[in-house]
Amino acid sequence: SQQGEEDPQALSIQEGENATMNCSYKTSINNLQWYRQNSGRGLVHLILIRSNEREKHSGRLRVTLDTSKKSSSLLITASRAADTASYFCATYHNDYKLSFGAGTTVTVRA
Amino acid sequence: DGGITQSPKYLFRKEGQNVTLSCEQNLNHDAMYWYRQDPGQGLRLIYYSQIVNDFQKGDIAEGYSVSREKKESFPLTVTSAQKNPTAFYLCASKNRDKAFFGQGTRLTVV
Repeated sequence: SQQGEEDPQALSIQEGENATMNCSYKTSINNLQWYRQNSGRGLVHLILIRSNEREKHSGRLRVTLDTSKKSSSLLITASRAADTASYFCATYHNDYKLSFGAGTTVTVRA
Repeated sequence: DGGITQSPKYLFRKEGQNVTLSCEQNLNHDAMYWYRQDPGQGLRLIYYSQIVNDFQKGDIAEGYSVSREKKESFPLTVTSAQKNPTAFYLCASKNRDKAFFGQGTRLTVV
């Protein structure tokens, strides 16, 4: 079963707006990561947050983690057309398993 | 160039045949993973390996087999026991923090 579940499944925004997507997971984690996938390609790592961290920033990306609620959010600020992609959260566990959610498809309209 | 290479990019299989998908990395990573992705879906974990000569079943291992005889290589065999093998297959290797993905193999049963 997939550990992470993203919400919403799809998101359409205007260029310049912010995009927020959420991820929930089921069991305890070492860290949580977000990846991006352009259509038909492999995934690219965006950002990692460890289980003892609550918030992290990287450029236009902001990720939060709430281990009590087993949830994380990814915020992309000032979106661009090039941000159009699918975004996945991934949870890394003590047994070395790296599990992905179903993803959020983001479309940024020019 | 350092990276992870999957081959072939496209693969066609007749029903009842076994096929092997190649995954090679020169990143010196111990951990490697195989995922299956169906259209519009997330990644489901097939097998993973933390070290040479050792691997574990993921969430959907039935109908698949792997080997890890060398650190650089983690081939996936899709056997005739896999009833619905048409999908996009992604291989990844992982360092301490993040996973690096190949560009995928699209397998179609004809």
